[in-house]
Amino acid sequence: QLQLQESGPGLVEPSETLSLTCSVSGDSISSSGHYWGWIRQPPGKGLQWIGHIFYGGSTFYNPSLKSRVTISVDTSKNQFSLKLTSVTAADATLYYCARFRGVAAADYWGQGTLVTVSS
Amino acid sequence: QSVLPQPPSASGTPGQRVTISCSGSSSNIGSNTVHWYQQLPGTAPKLLIYTNTQRPSGVPDRFSGSKSGTSASLAISGLQTEDEAYYYCAAWDDSLNGVVFGGGTRLTVL
Repeated sequence: QLQLQESGPGLVEPSETLSLTCSVSGDSISSSGHYWGWIRQPPGKGLQWIGHIFYGGSTFYNPSLKSRVTISVDTSKNQFSLKLTSVTAADATLYYCARFRGVAAADYWGQGTLVTVSS
Repeated sequence: QSVLPQPPSASGTPGQRVTISCSGSSSNIGSNTVHWYQQLPGTAPKLLIYTNTQRPSGVPDRFSGSKSGTSASLAISGLQTEDEAYYYCAAWDDSLNGVVFGGGTRLTVL
C-alpha cells in the first residue's frame, strides 16, 4: 500500500525558506518510474501545482514559482523535498505531496500539511 | 482566473446524471490528456479519471470522462449524496511546461 506523508515546520517567518519533506512507503522513488511532486491549496480555494521531479531525470516547476522553488530527492531515505525561498503571506497554505502517473495525473497523495507564514 | 475554467457549481438530485465541463486551449487540453479529481470536505484530492476516460481501480463506473477538442467533461450518473464534493480537472500545458488545474466545481446533491 503506497503511502505519502508530509512533514516540516508549520510556521515559517516572512522572507525565510519553507522546507517540507515527503516520506514515501510502499514504492521506491528511485526505481518506480514515476514523477514525484508538490501541489498546494489555499484554504477554501483551488489547487496549484508547484512542481515535480523524476529521479535521475527531469524536474519541472510552476513558472510563477520557479525562481524560488527547488525539489530534490533523497534516495537513502526514500524521501523527496520542497524548498521555497523568500516566503510571504501568499505562501501560507496547505501543501500536498503526490506521486504522478505520467506528468499530470497525481494518483497518490499525502494528507497535506498546513504552513503558516508569520513573525 | 483559472487556465482551465470550470463552472463554480453544479447540482442534482439523487439518481440524476450530472456533467461538469472543463474548458481549455490548444496548449493544454487540445494537445494533452485530461485528468479529474474529487475532493471530499477536509480530505486530499483523489484521482477520479486519468487520461481522459480511464478510471483508477476502485472508482465506480458511475464516473466517466470525455474529451473533445479543447474541452473535457466529467459525467456522474446515478448521483449519490456521497458524491457531494469539489471536482477539479487538470492537464499538462505545453506553453507553461507544467500542470494546470481547473478552478474547481462544487457539486451539491439536493
